Amino acid sequence: AQSVTQLGSHVSVSEGALVLLRCNYSSSVPPYLFWYVQYPNQGLQLLLKYTTGATLVKGINGFEAEFKKSETSFHLTKPSAHMSDAAEYFCAVSGPGGYQKVTFGTGTKLQVIP
Amino acid sequence: DAGVTQSPTHLIKTRGQQVTLRCSPKSGHDTVSWYQQALGQGPQFIFQYYEEEERQRGNFPDRFSGHQFPNYSSELNVNALLLGDSALYLCASSLGQARSGNTIYFGEGSWLTVV
Repeated sequence: AQSVTQLGSHVSVSEGALVLLRCNYSSSVPPYLFWYVQYPNQGLQLLLKYTTGATLVKGINGFEAEFKKSETSFHLTKPSAHMSDAAEYFCAVSGPGGYQKVTFGTGTKLQVIP
Repeated sequence: DAGVTQSPTHLIKTRGQQVTLRCSPKSGHDTVSWYQQALGQGPQFIFQYYEEEERQRGNFPDRFSGHQFPNYSSELNVNALLLGDSALYLCASSLGQARSGNTIYFGEGSWLTVV
């Protein structure tokens, strides 16, 4: 079974500071990995995804994530936090082939302090 | 281009009642999945429909059932509602269920409160 673990249910950063949200995955097969963002009272929006190829993935809104197989990690970063980045972020994993089933982590709420 | 649309957006039901939630996938998408997101939790996979058949199911009881129509739209039905069924129900659509890694698009969700 595949799973993801998000370290830190709440993260606070100052506006302009580096954002680092941590995600570790567990998978017996090469995983597909995703980061989604959820703003209050809204659905989920895809930030970025890793399937194959380049391990550094760039997403929307200046976010990027690096797939590190040796560390089973897929941490999300952004060089400079903006107030509009305040939201909940979910790391997710699915497997190759067959029917899609995406397994989500428990989420990390990002607070941006002015 | 309309994204994934869900209805209703909010509803309140009484324990023991039945509820039907509806979803229209993003234009061109043929696969629909349903997720339950309890307050403060990540979304949990309920099931996935492709070609009008349930293809995968998560760890949810038979009280949760669904349907996909020829136009790819879908319904989620929950019978004998429990207080614990209170959650945000998210519909997600994608193209081509056989190729994992395809981008999945989520709707805004249906908030269900069971009292």
